[in-house]
Amino acid sequence: NAGVTQTPKFQVLKTGQSMTLQCAQDMNHEYMSWYRQDPGMGLRLIHYSVGAGITDQGEVPNGYNVSRSTTEDFPLRLLSAAPSQTSVYFCASRQTALNTEAFFGQGTRLTVV
Amino acid sequence: GDSVTQMEGPVTLSEEAFLTINCTYTATGYPSLFWYVQYPGEGLQLLLKATKADDKGSNKGFEATYRKETTSFHLEKGSVQVSDSAVYFCAHLYSGAGSYQLTFGKGTKLSVIP
Repeated sequence: NAGVTQTPKFQVLKTGQSMTLQCAQDMNHEYMSWYRQDPGMGLRLIHYSVGAGITDQGEVPNGYNVSRSTTEDFPLRLLSAAPSQTSVYFCASRQTALNTEAFFGQGTRLTVV
Repeated sequence: GDSVTQMEGPVTLSEEAFLTINCTYTATGYPSLFWYVQYPGEGLQLLLKATKADDKGSNKGFEATYRKETTSFHLEKGSVQVSDSAVYFCAHLYSGAGSYQLTFGKGTKLSVIP
């Protein structure tokens, strides 16, 4: 009964380093997305995918890449980390783009120093 | 553009007090509306939803009614408990450029004291 699983839970990076945040769901959902949560800003959409092989940009895509080679996995890549990317990152999925309920992972707290 | 605006917090209430968290939206068309709750250290989880005008969503003693005339979806609970302490997010699901995006308000932190 895993739902949406994100790893790691915490990460500290140095400026300029790259890393991948992992997200996996076991509900066979077509739609997956990444948000970042910052104080006073709510959740902002980074990238999303409506199915395997299809991705698109959200509100704040710069500095991030995604791919969707399988239905289950939707990794988020930071190409060259910057302090402005210090945030809490949430992966979410829902059955299709039209379905309403989104299921969230527990988040990854990233600090870039 | 389409957006969600909710009252800023933090909100501190005594146990058994009445809760209202205001939420208004702007959207083209008729979006579905949601309240999500985030407990400390966790991801968001759906609290309630309404998909058309005049619908009332309810769960765990919380209620919200989809008011098209005032473009609002205010969250209410008659008697809060300490366990309701969390951050509450209003959200809508709208269609833009052929894709359905879930857009969130900035969140309202609720603290309930015994």
